[in-house]
Amino acid sequence: AQSVTQLGSHVSVSEGALVLLRCNYSSSVPPYLFWYVQYPNQGLQLLLKYTSAATLVKGINGFEAEFKKSETSFHLTKPSAHMRDAAEYFCAVSDADSWGKLQFGSGTQVVVTP
Amino acid sequence: GAVVSQHPSWVICKSGTSVKIECRSLDFQATTMFWYRQFPKQSLMLMATSNEGSKATYEQGVEKDKFLINHASLTLSTLTVTSAHPEDSSFYICSACTDRGFIRNTIYFGEGSWLTVV
Repeated sequence: AQSVTQLGSHVSVSEGALVLLRCNYSSSVPPYLFWYVQYPNQGLQLLLKYTSAATLVKGINGFEAEFKKSETSFHLTKPSAHMRDAAEYFCAVSDADSWGKLQFGSGTQVVVTP
Repeated sequence: GAVVSQHPSWVICKSGTSVKIECRSLDFQATTMFWYRQFPKQSLMLMATSNEGSKATYEQGVEKDKFLINHASLTLSTLTVTSAHPEDSSFYICSACTDRGFIRNTIYFGEGSWLTVV
């Protein structure tokens, strides 16, 4: 079964600093990968997704992620953190046979300090 | 605006009673909907896949008799938590997509429903 591992349950960054959230997948074939953000007491918002097109995926709010098959990774980055980026971030995976059925990582809580 | 709507957003029920949560696709026909559960400070766990006109497919460990799923139309799936107990208190969230054969279709999530069983 497809799965993703998020390294680091909490990340603290200074406002203006680089945000790097790590996600590794376990799959023998390239899966379809997603990053979602969840603000307190709210649902999920899609940041970006990889569906075997370009390996560098640009998303909303200045986020981007790079699919690296050799490293089985799909890390999320943002060059300059804003206070509004404080939230929970989830990496998720799906496959073509069960598109829409997502397996989520454990999540990373991002704290942005002034 | 939201394209997948959940109702209610918040619900408190007494232990032993049943509660129904609705998931509606507003602007499209959803052949497949998914139900997830999220406990506080945890990730989302897939509960079941809801297919229009057929029985839901439940994930391992999810009691199908306790979590009744009905997908009677292409725009509505319902999750009924039967004989709810405090340990069922959680955030329930649904998602929907159109033709599963087309991988580039967007997966839309509802706003979620908070269930508190007292």
